[in-house]
Amino acid sequence: DIVMTQSPSSLAVSAGETVTINCKSSQSLLSSGNQKNYLAWYQQKPGQSPKLLIYLASTRESGVPDRFIGSGSGTDFTLTISSVQAEDLADYYCQQHYSYPLTFGSGTKLEIK
Amino acid sequence: AVQLVESGGGLVQPKESLKISCAASGFTFSNAAMYWVRQAPGKGLEWVARIRTKPNNYATYYADSVKGRFTISRDDSKSMVYLQMDNLKTEDTAMYYCTAGPSYFDYWGQGVMVTVSS
Repeated sequence: DIVMTQSPSSLAVSAGETVTINCKSSQSLLSSGNQKNYLAWYQQKPGQSPKLLIYLASTRESGVPDRFIGSGSGTDFTLTISSVQAEDLADYYCQQHYSYPLTFGSGTKLEIK
Repeated sequence: AVQLVESGGGLVQPKESLKISCAASGFTFSNAAMYWVRQAPGKGLEWVARIRTKPNNYATYYADSVKGRFTISRDDSKSMVYLQMDNLKTEDTAMYYCTAGPSYFDYWGQGVMVTVSS
């Protein structure tokens, strides 16, 4: 099974700051066939279902603000949230969609000061 | 708009069974792989099961933690997906989400709570 390690587990920032969340996989998520990285990011606001933000490491889901940026390749990935807003208060999860069983990171709780 | 609506959750005792359902609408259900993902109270997300489409023989896949106890199924004529949960354990207590997508999850239901407790 591919183990997903996310860091930090929590962070608190002021509105307008930039946030970086890291996700590391125990195996490469890069497909040699198409050179795509099979990594997704989700946002879960309090009391809500998760919402897809990013897939294939850097492709933003339709309707997701462009301040959410996914990057990385192989085993190391990053979700960057620029100019954080109060509405970004949430838990963030990475997920590998490279192989079964599908696995998630343990989550990062983002708090707004 | 895409909708996934789960139902059938509740409180059961250990070793009992429960079947939860998900009604889908707003997309071509028969063309979509369907999944169940769960979240224990205060914890992270865990993929539980997957069922593929008819051209893929409705192949099913399970997390090791539920293999042999849970069964995912679908009824394309009703746009429904089900999760039959047998021999439930206290560690199966969680919010269960019905999801859809290629292998990441585009769409999520609101979730249904399953509590296993004596």
